[in-house]
Amino acid sequence: DGGITQSPKYLFRKEGQNVTLSCEQNLNHDAMYWYRQDPGQGLRLIYYSQIVNDFQKGDIAEGYSVSREKKESFPLTVTSAQKNPTAFYLCASSIQGGRGYTFGSGTRLTVV
Amino acid sequence: SQQGEEDPQALSIQEGENATMNCSYKTSINNLQWYRQNSGRGLVHLILIRSNEREKHSGRLRVTLDTSKKSSSLLITASRAADTASYFCATGSRDSGAGSYQLTFGKGTKLSVIP
Repeated sequence: DGGITQSPKYLFRKEGQNVTLSCEQNLNHDAMYWYRQDPGQGLRLIYYSQIVNDFQKGDIAEGYSVSREKKESFPLTVTSAQKNPTAFYLCASSIQGGRGYTFGSGTRLTVV
Repeated sequence: SQQGEEDPQALSIQEGENATMNCSYKTSINNLQWYRQNSGRGLVHLILIRSNEREKHSGRLRVTLDTSKKSSSLLITASRAADTASYFCATGSRDSGAGSYQLTFGKGTKLSVIP
């Protein structure tokens, strides 16, 4: 079955640590996206990538970094510079030019 | 930036009743989409309506779009307890700077269907 997989489902980070969230898709989608969701809130765009080896900042990129070395993979690193990283992180993918997005099941990151 | 704003923020109805959620947006769009999110899960695409369409149906879902008022509504008919979820509208448009297609999400309507 084609889909998009995020791992891990739950992640705990100590203050000052960097952590990397995984996102893999086998849908052959060109575009991939990372969103952050806070309780009772909508989705805010962190980074997106339209093509391999290229990515763009979204609305809240500060404290985050990404890479797109393979079409299937778009990992997100939450750095120590992100002051309030506790949130639910969602990865999505789509064909080039949009239409509907396919979402992963999310990673819940908690700073302890 | 969040363009879509859903109304109401929360809605509680009895099973069998219809549920109506509204979405307003600010700028021109290529399409408008509705997504569903069960608690703690990812979003699932429900339906897409293009900017030149006025109404679309999919099963128990009916979506309308009024581009003159920059608003859309999602109607779920004969609701079931399993429809309990958050519903988000998302507007699709071309980013004026990068020229890339972007989806912008609202904050969602939390629907509770009481058995």
